[in-house]
Amino acid sequence: AQSVTQPDIHITVSEGASLELRCNYSYGATPYLFWYVQSPGQGLQLLLKYFSGDTLVQGIKGFEAEFKRSQSSFNLRKPSVHWSDAAEYFCAVGYDKVIFGPGTSLSVIP
Amino acid sequence: DAGVIQSPRHEVTEMGQEVTLRCKPISGHDYLFWYRQTMMRGLELLIYFNNNVPIDDSGMPEDRFSAKMPNASFSTLKIQPSEPRDSAVYFCASSFQGGNQPQHFGDGTRLSIL
Repeated sequence: AQSVTQPDIHITVSEGASLELRCNYSYGATPYLFWYVQSPGQGLQLLLKYFSGDTLVQGIKGFEAEFKRSQSSFNLRKPSVHWSDAAEYFCAVGYDKVIFGPGTSLSVIP
Repeated sequence: DAGVIQSPRHEVTEMGQEVTLRCKPISGHDYLFWYRQTMMRGLELLIYFNNNVPIDDSGMPEDRFSAKMPNASFSTLKIQPSEPRDSAVYFCASSFQGGNQPQHFGDGTRLSIL
């Protein structure tokens, strides 16, 4: 069965600290991979995407993600978190029909 | 460019009433998706269209839900009759060519059924 897991429901980090959000997926073949961010009261916004090629992809707002085929993972990272990064983060996989993970809520301590 | 536009932003109605949610996708996009978001179930795909044709409606909860896309610039999601368990945030998203193209989300409609 196709599925996306985000093991961390909620993460709290201090401003300026590094961040890693985990994402694992189960899919028949290597799907397209996405990370989206959702601020309160808003829709989802794309941070980055992976289709092929270099397994380290850069996105907006200083985020990057690394695709590891052997681990079926696509973890999101940021070297230094800003207070404005507090939001809900969703990993998504698929083709025309995309499956979203349950999300990780990020809180940032000033 | 205007993004995906959803209306209304908020809807409060009584159980049993008909509810119609509206979506205007980004011009030129040929895929349109309807999602429902709740705390318990997360983000669920209800139905998606390609070139105005419904492709997969397996996520539609039951016959009380219906969606249409009469043209490339407009879609509706209708609930009749509505029930309290339908309370959720409903998102519309559109994309160009699907697949490896990102989806662009509207700001959602927060629906409360009393």
